[in-house]
Amino acid sequence: EAGVAQSPRYKIIEKRQSVAFWCNPISGHATLYWYQQILGQGPKLLIQFQNNGVVDDSQLPKDRFSAERLKGVDSTLKIQPAKLEDSAVYLCASSSNTEAFFGQGTRLTVV
Amino acid sequence: DQQVKQNSPSLSVQEGRISILNCDYTNSMFDYFLWYKKYPAEGPTFLISISSIKDKNEDGRFTVFLNKSAKHLSLHIVPSQPGDSAVYFCAASGGFGNEKLTFGTGTRLTIIP
Repeated sequence: EAGVAQSPRYKIIEKRQSVAFWCNPISGHATLYWYQQILGQGPKLLIQFQNNGVVDDSQLPKDRFSAERLKGVDSTLKIQPAKLEDSAVYLCASSSNTEAFFGQGTRLTVV
Repeated sequence: DQQVKQNSPSLSVQEGRISILNCDYTNSMFDYFLWYKKYPAEGPTFLISISSIKDKNEDGRFTVFLNKSAKHLSLHIVPSQPGDSAVYFCAASGGFGNEKLTFGTGTRLTIIP
């Protein structure tokens, strides 16, 4: 069974630029999550999708972050414009029950 | 507000001995608890979980204990092996239908050969 795929693995951008991350979940998983992990902290949920609908985006900074899940499969997370404090690893995860499976993450550095 | 706490940032254990990682939580609505293991440059990997209706779950060398009254859980690894060296995250959710995970800050486990 293929795992959760994310791209790119690494991204370096200047502050105020835009960036987008892509995630392909495990086939058949209805639930998809985006987490932000800042160095030294645990992953923090940004947004949760159930199929193509948003279940929870209470911790998503909506003035600069946006996410969509087209046709209930792939998802993209966008930051526009980026700030220095957005430097983190962005993890995508998917689940079909109570256990979530994570991708390798995208390490974003904002300079 | 840190709802899931791992108070030990790091732990070193001799190979072959028992590793005990601790986790405390404050939200009594949490119904399901998980441990994830993370190697550098990789995403977290699911290790073991426990439902709030149980107080122990065992899978090979890994056992998770849950003390609901104390809002405390622990992960025991016996015997510890060098490949167990990683960062371990405790996570909690509201269970089926509310699977959003709240993570602790992690404990870096180092197994000394």
